Amino acid sequence: EVQLAESGGGLVKPGESVRLSCTASGFNFNKAWMSWVRQAPGKAPEWIGRIKSEAHGGAIDYAAPVKGRVVISRDDSQNSLFLQLDSLKTEDTALYYCATDEAALANGFVFWGQGTMVTVS
Amino acid sequence: DIQVTQSPSSLSASVGDRVTITCRTSQTIINYLNWYQQTSGKPPKLLIYAASNLQVGVPSRFSGSGSGTDFTLTISSLQPEDFATYYCQLTYSPRTFGQGTKVEIK
Repeated sequence: EVQLAESGGGLVKPGESVRLSCTASGFNFNKAWMSWVRQAPGKAPEWIGRIKSEAHGGAIDYAAPVKGRVVISRDDSQNSLFLQLDSLKTEDTALYYCATDEAALANGFVFWGQGTMVTVS
Repeated sequence: DIQVTQSPSSLSASVGDRVTITCRTSQTIINYLNWYQQTSGKPPKLLIYAASNLQVGVPSRFSGSGSGTDFTLTISSLQPEDFATYYCQLTYSPRTFGQGTKVEIK
């Protein structure tokens, strides 16, 4: 069974940084492209960025609204995905999800975690 | 970046109704569009990928159509568990989501 578990959220102050983790199991993580998505309360999901597998060069794309403040990385030996977001603003308050990203197959985000909440206040 | 416009933002329907939701993109995306369903407190669930392909395990009352810039999600006969919010999403990067359509009980 595929499982994704996010952690690292909490209450943070404006200007601080947060590092989120996503631990994967039940599939070949090292072959997976992974994305981070956030969703502010009552709003549509917002894609943050994607990291390809090492077999596809490990390329990373970021959404324009967070580019320059965000770093996505992965540790395939630990089946883990990471998101660091710096210079936090109140508008970064959201539930942060990791998801498997099957764009290489013209597919969508098939598997999602339950999310970790980040509150900036 | 490609802009996505989803409509309507909400609709009221009854069990058994046929429901249609539309997404329009600012540039042609061929068929690189997905549809998701989200119920309260849960992550989005993939329903349709590549505009018209039903994800494994999704009931056949859901269907997707369209290409180029205009896309449609159709629920042929609305069931009680289908009252939810629906989003379209580009497969291109940035993987933009639509604004959402909330399907409510009439």
